[in-house]
Amino acid sequence: DVKVTQSSRYLVKRTGEKVFLECVQDMDHENMFWYRQDPGLGLRLIYFSYDVKMKEKGDIPEGYSVSREKKERFSLILESASTNQTSMYLCASSLHRDPVRVTGELFFGEGSRLTVL
Amino acid sequence: AQSVAQPEDQVNVAEGNPLTVKCTYSVSGNPYLFWYVQYPNRGLQFLLKYITGDNLVKGSYGFEAEFNKSQTSFHLKKPSALVSDSALYFCAVRDGRGSTLGRLYFGRGTQLTVWP
Repeated sequence: DVKVTQSSRYLVKRTGEKVFLECVQDMDHENMFWYRQDPGLGLRLIYFSYDVKMKEKGDIPEGYSVSREKKERFSLILESASTNQTSMYLCASSLHRDPVRVTGELFFGEGSRLTVL
Repeated sequence: AQSVAQPEDQVNVAEGNPLTVKCTYSVSGNPYLFWYVQYPNRGLQFLLKYITGDNLVKGSYGFEAEFNKSQTSFHLKKPSALVSDSALYFCAVRDGRGSTLGRLYFGRGTQLTVWP
């Protein structure tokens, strides 16, 4: 089974702090994604990556950056946390290689609930 | 443009009754369609998918979904609901041509509550 592991389930940070959210997958997937989930808004894509050192902006990249130095690890960085970044953050991965042939379902981690005070 | 609509924020059903969670989509090419479920304070779990072939697809936990191309819909169904089915359900779509590099587009979710 694919396993996507998010290192922190619950975090509490203060405004202005730098925050790292780590995600690791163990199935050699090329694609990795960071979403945030808020009530009534569903899932919104922050960033995604289809290869090492490659990244693409999603729908709400402002205030976030990402790092993918190794294939299995995709980090989300909040350079200066703000209260409006209090949310549930979900990491996901999917197989890429041939995007027409593979069906591309996502495998999600358990989520990281971040509270910024 | 690709998008998914889940017209109902909440669906309430009595245990033992059939349930339907609605989803409509918009996509440029042939759609790949997915349903996910989320239990409280957990990540999303894959339920089922439609890629091609039979319009009725079966998935985990007794769920099934019917693809209707003319109505651009992919409704999730279960013949007999259980209290344990209570959760948040998400529909998602991607373009089968692969132009989006594997990105899925999600609906806003439908909260299903099954009453005992």
